[in-house]
Amino acid sequence: GAVVSQHPSRVICKSGTSVKIECRSLDFQATTMFWYRQFPKQSLMLMATSNEGSKATYEQGVEKDKFLINHASLTLSTLTVTSAHPEDSSFYICSALEGPQLSEQYFGPGTRLTVT
Amino acid sequence: GDSVTQMEGPVTLSEEAFLTINCTYTATGYPSLFWYVQYPGEGLQLLLKATKADDKGSNKGFEATYRKETTSFHLEKGSVQVSDSAVYFCALSDHHAGGTSYGKLTFGQGTILTVHP
Repeated sequence: GAVVSQHPSRVICKSGTSVKIECRSLDFQATTMFWYRQFPKQSLMLMATSNEGSKATYEQGVEKDKFLINHASLTLSTLTVTSAHPEDSSFYICSALEGPQLSEQYFGPGTRLTVT
Repeated sequence: GDSVTQMEGPVTLSEEAFLTINCTYTATGYPSLFWYVQYPGEGLQLLLKATKADDKGSNKGFEATYRKETTSFHLEKGSVQVSDSAVYFCALSDHHAGGTSYGKLTFGQGTILTVHP
């Protein structure tokens, strides 16, 4: 099946700094990518939908100025957590839809963010 | 809005036991239904899916049948193995949501399964 990678897999940053997480579709073009947040022992919460070449659509309650999403190409979307705080510590997961048609959503392995 | 409710865990079974994880949903349209599995330290993987009523999804000995009348998609396996220990997520995608919701998945809360030898 298709592969989605995330980088980095783990990151520790100091409070107040920004951190960028990359999501790449390695062997297919992804017109749509999704960003999720997963709290310990809880479900995935959709943060935003990222469409190539257009602004991301954020879910209710997600601060778009804090979680900047850029879908610059058909194989890359980035999530930047700006001015990170300890409560932003979480597991961030991206997924990608292959092509314009409805198809399987492929998930990245996730990025563990710890803000100290 | 759409929602998915899963049987709360954790579920602990002995090897070769029968597994059922209940999942019910509410949706405004005609959703596709999915089970995803997350093994320790890994990302989510699609386990099986069903796209219309009465469809049965199956993979690796797991099965789930799309029951529109009961709005359910329960996951079953006749004989679990230690290697099945993971977190299982039920999810739906409502194709008729359209627009920016196209392809969006709504997840249940996840059920932790631990299988002992």
